[in-house]
Amino acid sequence: GNSVTQMEGPVTLSEEAFLTINCTYTATGYPSLFWYVQYPGEGLQLLLKATKADDKGSNKGFEATYRKETTSFHLEKGSVQVSDSAVYFCALRYTGFQKLVFGTGTRLLVSP
Amino acid sequence: DTGVSQDPRHKITKRGQNVTFRCDPISEHNRLYWYRQTLGQGPEFLTYFQNEAQLEKSRLLSDRFSAERPKGSFSTLEIQRTEQGDSAMYLCASSLGVGGGRNEQFFGPGTRLTVL
Repeated sequence: GNSVTQMEGPVTLSEEAFLTINCTYTATGYPSLFWYVQYPGEGLQLLLKATKADDKGSNKGFEATYRKETTSFHLEKGSVQVSDSAVYFCALRYTGFQKLVFGTGTRLLVSP
Repeated sequence: DTGVSQDPRHKITKRGQNVTFRCDPISEHNRLYWYRQTLGQGPEFLTYFQNEAQLEKSRLLSDRFSAERPKGSFSTLEIQRTEQGDSAMYLCASSLGVGGGRNEQFFGPGTRLTVL
């Protein structure tokens, strides 16, 4: 079946450190890929997305590239801030289908 | 744009009781989704509506669960004869419609259900 696997957290970094959160997926065909973020006490928010192979999604300094050959969509940021502390979810959706399939989430803790 | 709202934000109930949650989507969004999120897990899809039609249901949605969207605006999710395993965060999302960026799902803050 379709599934998303994320690295386990928490990921603990100091401010201005480089961030990578790994995400791989198992799916037939070519799904759209997403990163959602959940800040403490808030609902899920779409962070970025990519709809086809080699697309790069970017937003707020975060980037992720759709890699078909490695079935991956790793999230990166060059310099994290304390305000980036949140839970990050990788997700996929098939074209023509509506449901999102989420990974288990990775908690990021950034200290000053 | 006031965002997706859900009511109540928290619900504590005893096993065997019925509970009902409400979701108000972003106005003019014709698609509405329900997900369930348990502790330490990502959200899992339950069902979705296009206008008032319920078009897909997950096998996670047992016979005790029923969702409605009678006028194509707000939706309700009812759980009958609650069990402790129903304890979770119930998330609602909405999207504008077909095609490109119109499919982006906007999530509400969720209703946290605790079954004692």
